[in-house]
Amino acid sequence: DTAVSQTPKYLVTQMGNDKSIKCEQNLGHDTMYWYKQDSKKFLKIMFSYNNKELIINETVPNRFSPKSPDKAHLNLHINSLELGDSAVYFCASSLGLRNEQFFGPGTRLTVL
Amino acid sequence: TQLLEQSPQFLSIQEGENLTVYCNSSSVFSSLQWYRQEPGEGPVLLVTVVTGGEVKKLKRLTFQFGDARKDSSLHITAAQPGDTGLYLCAGSGGSYIPTFGRGTSLIVHP
Repeated sequence: DTAVSQTPKYLVTQMGNDKSIKCEQNLGHDTMYWYKQDSKKFLKIMFSYNNKELIINETVPNRFSPKSPDKAHLNLHINSLELGDSAVYFCASSLGLRNEQFFGPGTRLTVL
Repeated sequence: TQLLEQSPQFLSIQEGENLTVYCNSSSVFSSLQWYRQEPGEGPVLLVTVVTGGEVKKLKRLTFQFGDARKDSSLHITAAQPGDTGLYLCAGSGGSYIPTFGRGTSLIVHP
């Protein structure tokens, strides 16, 4: 049983394109997150939603737009992709705002 | 922004050796988590520590939370190749923003 799933696993695209990454959790958690992990493995939070409401938005360019249609889903849409957007993007969920997080397998985005 | 400093950044050891990884901050954390991440996968939670001075054991792994709740350590006894991975500490304090350290990359050679 997959707890936190992300699609796609790999995404290779050209600069300037628009792409989306989807995330679903079946843990019944209230809080979901998007993280970006760079080539040096630094995991930095981008967004967090609690009960479908945006609660954390960490100085991310507005080309990145999260959407939470319900508590079990948090999607990430990226407009006008740039080379610097290449990274591994992780979705995570937690029971509450300060609880331990459960991570998805990651989406490796490569912008050419 | 609360910062978590991890050391060492890289560790390459032989099977059977012991090691300690440190996670330090100038801020107080209400709780601190340790995760292990293997290549191509997401971080997996190992433990959460909450109380200052708390010690938790997970088989050969021993986790300690500092008395002041500003630092933590992870000690591995008799390391095995299966322990290879990126070890991350993470914490949350007064704000709801979770902070991750930059990780310790451990390689255990057979």
